[in-house]
Amino acid sequence: QVQLQESGPGLVKPSETLSLTCSVSGSSITASYFTWIRQPAGKGLEWIGRIFDGNIDYNPSLQSRVTMSLDTTENRFSLRLMSVTAADTAVYYCARDSPLGEGNFQHWGPGTLVTVSS
Amino acid sequence: QSVVTQASSASGNPGQTVTISCLGTSSNIGTTNFVYWYQQFPGAAPKLLLYRNSLRPSGVPDRFSGSKSGTSASLVISGLRSDDEADYYCAVWDDRLNAVVFGGGTRLTV
Repeated sequence: QVQLQESGPGLVKPSETLSLTCSVSGSSITASYFTWIRQPAGKGLEWIGRIFDGNIDYNPSLQSRVTMSLDTTENRFSLRLMSVTAADTAVYYCARDSPLGEGNFQHWGPGTLVTVSS
Repeated sequence: QSVVTQASSASGNPGQTVTISCLGTSSNIGTTNFVYWYQQFPGAAPKLLLYRNSLRPSGVPDRFSGSKSGTSASLVISGLRSDDEADYYCAVWDDRLNAVVFGGGTRLTV
């Protein structure tokens, strides 16, 4: 059974860097695309980016501020979003996509709320 | 402003049929890329409802069906139940943006 769990600070100051980790069990992070998605309160879903075996794609609207990486030793992957503002306040989800990376998110973490505030 | 648009709300009475649509462009739904549908209840992570335009994961009732034509895709829910009340999102890969794009979401009221 594939399970994902997000972890990281729930509060980040403006202009600082948001860092989250997604721990994966039941699936190797080298076997498929893994993705970050976020959702501001009361709003829709926004795809942040995906990573698979060295291939990384980011949402063009966030590309200048975002970095994703894999930790194959711990079977987890990470998100860093720099220079955050209040607009980055959201629930952040990690999810597993298919090896084709086409938006087939069958497995999701429960999500973690990140608030950007001083 | 989403690249893929959905009506913000839809409604129906129990037992009725409702259609939720996604309107895309020639770089996403209008390609051979598959459309995915997600169901989200308040406070919960989205759940995959349909994959590859019309296929149902194990456990999803056959009351949920999907189709794609041209630059639009549709989710049809028949035999509406009160527990179908949720937000519904479509998702598709966009070849121009090189990104997955989500529709803005449709809140279904039963």
